[in-house]
Amino acid sequence: DAGITQSPRHKVTETGTPVTLRCHQTENHRYMYWYRQDPGHGLRLIHYSYGVKDTDKGEVSDGYSVSRSKTEDFLLTLESATSSQTSVYFCAISDSGVGTEAFFGQGTRLTVV
Amino acid sequence: QQQVKQSPQSLIVQKGGISIINCAYENTAFDYFPWYQQFPGKGPALLIAIRPDVSEKKEGRFTISFNKSAKQFSLHIMDSQPGDSATYFCAASIGGAGSYQLTFGKGTKLSVIP
Repeated sequence: DAGITQSPRHKVTETGTPVTLRCHQTENHRYMYWYRQDPGHGLRLIHYSYGVKDTDKGEVSDGYSVSRSKTEDFLLTLESATSSQTSVYFCAISDSGVGTEAFFGQGTRLTVV
Repeated sequence: QQQVKQSPQSLIVQKGGISIINCAYENTAFDYFPWYQQFPGKGPALLIAIRPDVSEKKEGRFTISFNKSAKQFSLHIMDSQPGDSATYFCAASIGGAGSYQLTFGKGTKLSVIP
């Protein structure tokens, strides 16, 4: 398995609180991504990073921010959690080059009550 | 706007049968088409992928068929086994854009019954 660690694996939080999810990789891959997975929607891209301090928005970025201060770490922050952000969040990594495989972490199940 | 449409949502196949999952895309700039397999409680994992310069790719019991003119591609699982029961996602990406971000279909839950 690719060296990707997501933390925490499970979290329950209250509406309105900030939440930070962490993705740590040991593969030294350039690209890192945050997806959310919801029934009936598949996987949707939230934000991605193409290098240290280089990030961009994905399809469903509203209410989320990210930071990448080191190659190995990519943080996803829910600024003020809402019930609609209850989901399973996956981090993925890929190296440079067309057709490069994206490796996914084990996921973080977040429940906002 | 859903750029990759996947069908069916769910599929039940007898052991030994052929499982077929279809995807259609809209953006002709896509140039990489992977399929991912996901087991419950796990992250998706790459199963097989194809580039648009070939019409078919086979790896063991798994085959991707690609029709560039129709903007469609499909996954065929031959001799389906209970261990193949999982959710399958097709995806597409534009490599030249620099980010290689994947656009996923909504997934197909495959159940292979003994």
